[in-house]
Amino acid sequence: AQSVTQLDSQVPVFEEAPVELRCNYSSSVSVYLFWYVQYPNQGLQLLLKYLSGSTLVESINGFEAEFNKSQTSFHLRKPSVHISDTAEYFCAVQKGSYIPTFGRGTSLIVHP
Amino acid sequence: NAGVTQTPKFRVLKTGQSMTLLCAQDMNHEYMYWYRQDPGMGLRLIHYSVGEGTTAKGEVPDGYNVSRLKKQNFLLGLESAAPSQTSVYFCASSSLFGGLEGYTFGSGTRLTVV
Repeated sequence: AQSVTQLDSQVPVFEEAPVELRCNYSSSVSVYLFWYVQYPNQGLQLLLKYLSGSTLVESINGFEAEFNKSQTSFHLRKPSVHISDTAEYFCAVQKGSYIPTFGRGTSLIVHP
Repeated sequence: NAGVTQTPKFRVLKTGQSMTLLCAQDMNHEYMYWYRQDPGMGLRLIHYSVGEGTTAKGEVPDGYNVSRLKKQNFLLGLESAAPSQTSVYFCASSSLFGGLEGYTFGSGTRLTVV
């Protein structure tokens, strides 16, 4: 079974600063990778995903993640965060047609 | 288009009581899932369904039962609630098994068992 490690449970940053949320997974021949975002008192929403092709994937609100096969990582980055980015972020890994495994989540807290 | 709707949004139960959580989706998705979310634990799969009339156990199925009598509905039941079942419950659906296109989640049910 796949395992997913989100190394930071909480990441505090100031507004307009860059941020990186880390995600590592156990190695496998081929995996699909996802980042979900959960705003307060809401369900999870898909932020971005890597299925194949370019290893750099982007979301519509300025986040990006890079699939690094050699380091088995899929870190999420944003060059300049906003207060509205405050949320819980979950990394998920899926092997083939199996149900994905979710990480424990990273709480991004953006301070003014 | 409502997506995935969960009812109720909040509930307080006494130990030993039973209840049913309802999940309804209007996207004609074949696959549906129940997760629980606990602090520091992320999302853990309770049960899932690959189609009407079928259900399967996930990672943490003990103490829960499910039914999928209609394609659009997926019910999660607690027969005898325990404090350990205090959690936030999320239902999700997908058109591809495992949600390769991304899950659609409901807004959650916050359950407290006292």
